[in-house]
Amino acid sequence: DSGVTQTPKHLITATGQRVTLRCSPRSGDLSVYWYQQSLDQGLQFLIQYYNGEERAKGNILERFSAQQFPDLHSELNLSSLELGDSALYFCASSVATGGLGSPLHFGNGTRLTVT
Amino acid sequence: LAKTTQPISMDSYEGQEVNITCSHNNIATNDYITWYQQFPSQGPRFIIQGYKTKVTNEVASLFIPADRKSSTLSLPRVSLSDTAVYYCLVGMTGTALIFGKGTTLSVSS
Repeated sequence: DSGVTQTPKHLITATGQRVTLRCSPRSGDLSVYWYQQSLDQGLQFLIQYYNGEERAKGNILERFSAQQFPDLHSELNLSSLELGDSALYFCASSVATGGLGSPLHFGNGTRLTVT
Repeated sequence: LAKTTQPISMDSYEGQEVNITCSHNNIATNDYITWYQQFPSQGPRFIIQGYKTKVTNEVASLFIPADRKSSTLSLPRVSLSDTAVYYCLVGMTGTALIFGKGTTLSVSS
């Protein structure tokens, strides 16, 4: 158990809809990363937060947004969903930011299916 | 773009030692080298991390030459349960940590 909790585990929704994925980082971890993994694809970096502030951004679509709250949990919002958004979405957390090699600890992901 | 290049796949037999090499020619001074293991439909799991020279833990060793332009993950005496995708990640916390395509290791009996 990595200590990172993601909810829900599975989500099935229709095209055009909006969903929210939630992540609770490990106790003490201040950084949260979001990744998307489509079938047979690698891990695509979406966005990273540190202590409530956005620190790094990947190829995240404009239809997607995220935030990290004061209690350090994070939410990834996906709107105007398309079939191609079907994927596993992973959250990872780490202790620190900047200059340190703190490894990532991943949750078990949310499997999103858009029909 | 990912900073790393790895073989797409490798095959091995139970009991053998497996070495997976990762190339990272443009590694920055503050970058660490971290290896992860991923099973299907699960999140990647941290295996080992290093900055230079050699690091060993209970599951693997990591060899990093002086120029740090490559690294080698060594898995001693693999078993069927080591069949997974292995990712080499180069970077430092607080930046966009971009994974490469990983190496699919298949272990046979």
